[in-house]
Amino acid sequence: GAVVSQHPSWVICKSGTSVKIECRSLDFQATTMFWYRQFPKQSLMLMATSNEGSKATYEQGVEKDKFLINHASLTLSTLTVTSAHPEDSSFYICSARELGQGAGGYTFGSGTRLTVV
Amino acid sequence: GESVGLHLPTLSVQEGDNSIINCAYSNSASDYFIWYKQESGKGPQFIIDIRSNMDKRQGQRVTVLLNKTVKHLSLQIAATQPGDSAVYFCAENISGGYNKLIFGAGTRLAVHP
Repeated sequence: GAVVSQHPSWVICKSGTSVKIECRSLDFQATTMFWYRQFPKQSLMLMATSNEGSKATYEQGVEKDKFLINHASLTLSTLTVTSAHPEDSSFYICSARELGQGAGGYTFGSGTRLTVV
Repeated sequence: GESVGLHLPTLSVQEGDNSIINCAYSNSASDYFIWYKQESGKGPQFIIDIRSNMDKRQGQRVTVLLNKTVKHLSLQIAATQPGDSAVYFCAENISGGYNKLIFGAGTRLAVHP
């Protein structure tokens, strides 16, 4: 079945530094990838939709200059948290939608636990 | 970010009992709904889906019911097992220029032996 690999699975960084998270579709091509953020005991909140070869579409309230998204190929999207602060500490999850799938076809990565100290 | 609700209620059941997890969704234009299971520290795992033109779908030990009139979705788990303990989310696919998946509030299922 479709597999999405997310890396790293956890990262600790110092306040003010930037962190990059990778999301790869291993065995399929994904024109669209999604980035979610999840705080403890809460639901997944969609941050942005990443489209290969074009600018990402950000949800309302998500700072595009803070969360840089690049979708350079049909199998890779990256999320960079710039100038990270402790309040950015969260569980970040990506999802990829397989090319040619109808409604559905979403595959999720295993998430990245970001801790900013 | 967009989400439906931010609270995480808990449903406690005895092993072997049936579980019913409910979800309210918001968008009348949603064409597809999915139930996910999430274990601690992991990404969501697909359980079952249903299209908006259906009102019931059955899988192995699970059944999803859709009531579009009141925008309500439920997941029934038969003979609940300890391994079913997790957080369950419903998600709605919103179609348009680009499809996107919006998650509901989630319910924690605790199965006791």
